[in-house]
Amino acid sequence: AQSVTQLGSHVSVSEGALVLLRCNYSSSVPPYLFWYVQYPNQGLQLLLKYTSAATLVKGINGFEAEFKKSETSFHLTKPSAHMSDAAEYFCAVSVGNTGKLIFGQGTTLQVKP
Amino acid sequence: DTAVSQTPKYLVTQMGNDKSIKCEQNLGHDTMYWYKQDSKKFLKIMFSYNNKELIINETVPNRFSPKSPDKAHLNLHINSLELGDSAVYFCASGGRETPSGYTFGSGTRLTVV
Repeated sequence: AQSVTQLGSHVSVSEGALVLLRCNYSSSVPPYLFWYVQYPNQGLQLLLKYTSAATLVKGINGFEAEFKKSETSFHLTKPSAHMSDAAEYFCAVSVGNTGKLIFGQGTTLQVKP
Repeated sequence: DTAVSQTPKYLVTQMGNDKSIKCEQNLGHDTMYWYKQDSKKFLKIMFSYNNKELIINETVPNRFSPKSPDKAHLNLHINSLELGDSAVYFCASGGRETPSGYTFGSGTRLTVV
């Protein structure tokens, strides 16, 4: 069965430091992968998605993710963290003919001044 | 214009009551979803409709019943509410082939007392 695993439920970085949020997927077919961000008391906002067009995917707010088939990973990065990046981040995979979205457990990003 | 709108945003009710959450999307998507986010922020799909037809019905108590009067609307009715139903419920529309991916509403925080 297709699934995603986010390594690290909580990541803390200093403002200006590199952000790296880890996601590994399990899929027997080429996956459709997504990263979403959830700010407190808000809905989910799409950061970026992988649909096999390019392995390096650029998203909003300076985030990007690289699809690595050999490592079954789709890690999210941002070169320099801003205080406004503090939020919950979810990796997700779209599965089956119905296209339902399966989410990882989420990673809370804390940005320290 | 809000792409996916849910009402109400907050819902506090007593055990045993029946309540409904409404969702509307103006994106022209054929597929809509209901997700439940628990207190640990884990997101799980509940239902999905494609052009008014039910295509996903996860293991959800019979007390939960979705209704889609047209492809722009997907409502969620909950009978005999229980304490464990307290969660944030998100409506979404779109899919993996959609350029914008899955678009989520801002959520309905249901509290059962």
